[in-house]
Amino acid sequence: AQSVAQPEDQVNVAEGNPLTVKCTYSVSGNPYLFWYVQYPNRGLQFLLKYITGDNLVKGSYGFEAEFNKSQTSFHLKKPSALVSDSALYFCAVRDSNSGYALNFGKGTSLLVTP
Amino acid sequence: EAEVAQSPRYKITEKSQAVAFWCDPISGHATLYWYRQILGQGPELLVQFQDESVVDDSQLPKDRFSAERLKGVDSTLKIQPAELGDSAMYLCASSRGQTASGELFFGEGSRLTVL
Repeated sequence: AQSVAQPEDQVNVAEGNPLTVKCTYSVSGNPYLFWYVQYPNRGLQFLLKYITGDNLVKGSYGFEAEFNKSQTSFHLKKPSALVSDSALYFCAVRDSNSGYALNFGKGTSLLVTP
Repeated sequence: EAEVAQSPRYKITEKSQAVAFWCDPISGHATLYWYRQILGQGPELLVQFQDESVVDDSQLPKDRFSAERLKGVDSTLKIQPAELGDSAMYLCASSRGQTASGELFFGEGSRLTVL
């Protein structure tokens, strides 16, 4: 089965510092990887995706993600964190075995302090 | 900007009662998904539709849950009877089709509390 793992329940970073939220994947075949963000009591918002091509993917709100095939990772990054970036972040992988739904990780809570 | 509409946003019910959630996907999106998100966890797929047909309902507890998308547009998810463990956020999402590269667009969710 296609799956992702987010090893950190919470990431704390000071405003202005770079942030990284980690994700590793396990797939058979080509990986189709996504990052979503969720604010309290809201739905999920799409940030970015990796389908093919450049290993560095740029997305919304200044976020980017680095795809690393040898390490089977797809870490989310931002050069300078904002307090407003505090939210839940979910990594997801396309499940090509079953209707192309997304399989999500358990999520990482990002807290950016002033 | 087109959005996925869901209602109600919040629902409190007692166990053994029936509840229903409604979803209207983005116009033209053929694929519709219902996910359940338990507090502190990632969303888990319950059912996926392509137009009016069920593509995957392998994780739907069919003894108490049902879902339909009769005309291939909006959809209803029903729980009867509700149990305490059903307390969760129910998220609806849509996409243009069953493609590997397309992202899912999510609604704001329906938060269910079962007392």
